[in-house]
Amino acid sequence: EAGVAQSPRYKIIEKRQSVAFWCNPISGHATLYWYQQILGQGPKLLIQFQNNGVVDDSQLPKDRFSAERLKGVDSTLKIQPAKLEDSAVYLCASSSSVLSNQPQHFGDGTRLSIL
Amino acid sequence: SQQGEEDPQALSIQEGENATMNCSYKTSINNLQWYRQNSGRGLVHLILIRSNEREKHSGRLRVTLDTSKKSSSLLITASRAADTASYFCATVPNTGFQKLVFGTGTRLLVSP
Repeated sequence: EAGVAQSPRYKIIEKRQSVAFWCNPISGHATLYWYQQILGQGPKLLIQFQNNGVVDDSQLPKDRFSAERLKGVDSTLKIQPAKLEDSAVYLCASSSSVLSNQPQHFGDGTRLSIL
Repeated sequence: SQQGEEDPQALSIQEGENATMNCSYKTSINNLQWYRQNSGRGLVHLILIRSNEREKHSGRLRVTLDTSKKSSSLLITASRAADTASYFCATVPNTGFQKLVFGTGTRLLVSP
């Protein structure tokens, strides 16, 4: 089966600019996650979708970050305006259900650098 | 916030040796999972151990879980250069949802 697809792979922007990332999960996976991984750390969950509804966005900085999953398939994550501390890899993952015993499948991420 | 801490932060061994990584966490869990991340790539699920299990095997991987000590270990036997990667433990707290909380990771280098 095709894996989780993310684009772009790399993005360089200046602070205060906006940026968007795109994710296409594994076909049929109802649950989609966005993570932020700062260099040298483990991934941190930003937002979790079940179909097109938000399950958990408690760690999403809502003043600058937004995410949507229209039609319950693809998802986009946006940052506006970007800050220097947003430099990180943004990972998208999907799983077949929200049940805790289902593994998550990750894309290769988008590496964001803020100048 | 990071739930767990992994120890050691970095590990360097020769091919054929065993590698052991430890993970400690803070709250009660539903299950604990281990993931591998190759440089510049996404994470790959390795193994899941439930809170009522004490040991689990998958190929060259052996995972143990001690819920009384809130700790887990991952053993890779007969390591290969291809095992070079970062390894993360991730816990699923007892909230009912699949919310992974990752540790800080162990960087493993296996030299030929």
